[in-house]
Amino acid sequence: QSALTQPASVSGSPGQSITISCTGTSSDVGGYNYVSWYQQHPGKAPKLMIYEVSNRPSGVSNRFSGSKSGNTASLTISGLQAEDEADYYCSSYTSSSTLAVFGGGTKLTVL
Amino acid sequence: QLQLQESGPGLVKPSETLSLTCTVSGGSISSSSYYWGWIRQPPGKGLEWIGSIYYSGSTYYNPSLKSRVTISVDTSKNQFSLKLSSVTAADTAVYYCARHCSSTSCYTYGMDVWGQGTTVTVSS
Repeated sequence: QSALTQPASVSGSPGQSITISCTGTSSDVGGYNYVSWYQQHPGKAPKLMIYEVSNRPSGVSNRFSGSKSGNTASLTISGLQAEDEADYYCSSYTSSSTLAVFGGGTKLTVL
Repeated sequence: QLQLQESGPGLVKPSETLSLTCTVSGGSISSSSYYWGWIRQPPGKGLEWIGSIYYSGSTYYNPSLKSRVTISVDTSKNQFSLKLSSVTAADTAVYYCARHCSSTSCYTYGMDVWGQGTTVTVSS
């Protein structure tokens, strides 16, 4: 089970949009519409931001959106705000016996 | 409001077994809609799913850790537990427990409630 591939870092200015990619295989990201995204601020537990590729849990800002094409999922954050600066992790369901695999994480810097 | 709280020793000796418990409050662990999972994060590194358990006792493990991991559930105490055997320094991490959705009636396969995490150091 290999981790999903994410860029180590991305950056953007306030008000701009950024996209974080998450590349897997046909056995995980490409095989199921069960990609989740998590936000983690330093010293805090992760927070679920997106589930089922593009759905937002209750209370998550609509500035966060998700999509998928083939074996690559993406998280887009529009109207960047200083509070968005955090680490972001993708995760995918992989099989009925291996429920989850995470990406390596992406550090978002708001310039 | 559902809350999860990890507990257990913060220091474990190499070759010994790491044991942690997650106590669920504000809701029942016996919900048919959820798994209960363990995730860890080594210092300065990313998240790693360790495994999850259903209230019935069905378990699901990360293949890379499967030979050393045991997850169990005690519905009478509303708790689930992690045991990781033969630990080394590479097992030093913050260990989180989390609620892991198992059906389309919730945030499918998303982990929507997390404990605060507990730091476990493997050292002699």
